[in-house]
Amino acid sequence: GQNIDQPTEMTATEGAIVQINCTYQTSGFNGLFWYQQHAGEAPTFLSYNVLDGLEEKGRFSSFLSRSKGYSYLLLKELQMKDSASYLCACMDSNYQLIWGAGTKLIIKP
Amino acid sequence: DGGITQSPKYLFRKEGQNVTLSCEQNLNHDAMYWYRQDPGQGLRLIYYSQIVNDFQKGDIAEGYSVSREKKESFPLTVTSAQKNPTAFYLCASGSSGVTEAFFGQGTRLTVV
Repeated sequence: GQNIDQPTEMTATEGAIVQINCTYQTSGFNGLFWYQQHAGEAPTFLSYNVLDGLEEKGRFSSFLSRSKGYSYLLLKELQMKDSASYLCACMDSNYQLIWGAGTKLIIKP
Repeated sequence: DGGITQSPKYLFRKEGQNVTLSCEQNLNHDAMYWYRQDPGQGLRLIYYSQIVNDFQKGDIAEGYSVSREKKESFPLTVTSAQKNPTAFYLCASGSSGVTEAFFGQGTRLTVV
């Protein structure tokens, strides 16, 4: 079956670094997406990885290992506005997105 | 400005009534999607459409219906057959192939 796993909740301190992990099992693989979702709002796109390695985009970076079925989202210099849920999603062989349940990130001053 | 618009943001209905959620996009995207989001769960696909006048069931299509008469519009009807309709509904659109999905603001439906 198809499955995406990520931690339910994480807590970090303002100014620090946090890594949110995602493991996946899908029928085929056409890339992995990370989205940010603030409470009651729509998800917004953060990153896309299809090749192994690290993609850096400002304070956010995303890593992919296809052989391990593993990705992480790295957030640096955390700000209070980064408090949100972070959704991991894989695109399968039919170009359909399979979604994880999301990781709620709580930032403390 | 280009974007995807859902309306209304909040909707209340009595049990047993059908209700239609609106979704419009002016991004010229071929594909449109409806998802349901419940607390502690990932987005679950209700229906999707890759082209006008064609749509496919997703993982949880029972109790829902859609139409795609225009490229820009993909309304979702929640029928009385849906046992647990109270949820946050998200519409999304995207180009064909491997591209990110763009989401509307969501509609929170409460059935009382």
